[in-house]
Amino acid sequence: ILNVEQSPQSLHVQEGDSTNFTCSFPSSNFYALHWYRWETAKSPEALFVMTLNGDEKKKGRISATLNTKEGYSYLYIKGSQPEDSATYLCAPTGGSQGNLIFGKGTKLSVKP
Amino acid sequence: ETGVTQSPTHLIKTRGQQVTLRCSSQSGHNTVSWYQQALGQGPQFIFQYYREEENGRGNFPPRFSGLQFPNYSSELNVNALELDDSALYLCASSYDSAAGNTIYFGEGSWLTVV
Repeated sequence: ILNVEQSPQSLHVQEGDSTNFTCSFPSSNFYALHWYRWETAKSPEALFVMTLNGDEKKKGRISATLNTKEGYSYLYIKGSQPEDSATYLCAPTGGSQGNLIFGKGTKLSVKP
Repeated sequence: ETGVTQSPTHLIKTRGQQVTLRCSSQSGHNTVSWYQQALGQGPQFIFQYYREEENGRGNFPPRFSGLQFPNYSSELNVNALELDDSALYLCASSYDSAAGNTIYFGEGSWLTVV
């Protein structure tokens, strides 16, 4: 059973601050890592799917890196805005069939 | 907009009853998965269907069952409801079951068992 750890559990920042979160997962039998952004009362929004060691992906002010050999991924948000407030979830796949193993998430609150 | 819709959004059932939750996936998405999110936890994988066949199952008892239909809709059925089944149930779909494909989620169905 994969154990996925996300840190911190929650984060409060001011508008304009840059921030980053960590996702740790077992490095053996790695297939892919998914990042999601989840606002209350909405569906989880897919941010990135990462498959290769050293992968770096970017979407606007949000970027992510992947290290499959040591089993971690970082998510960065540059210049946080109040609309970035959400829970950010990472999920490696449990196998080649794509079922996701979620961490508990990092809850980000951005104050104006 | 993920193109994945779920119904109902909220429902209350009594312990011992049965419930059916429904999901409509994006056209062309032949893979659907269901997840349960209990309070304070990340979503947990229940099972996956690929081309109408069960294609993987998490650590959930047989009273959790599913169906996938050719029209990209699917169902999650839970029999003999227990209080601990109270949770948010998420449906997710993708084109093909490969690990590197983007998986799209619905908004979920909130189930309360009393």
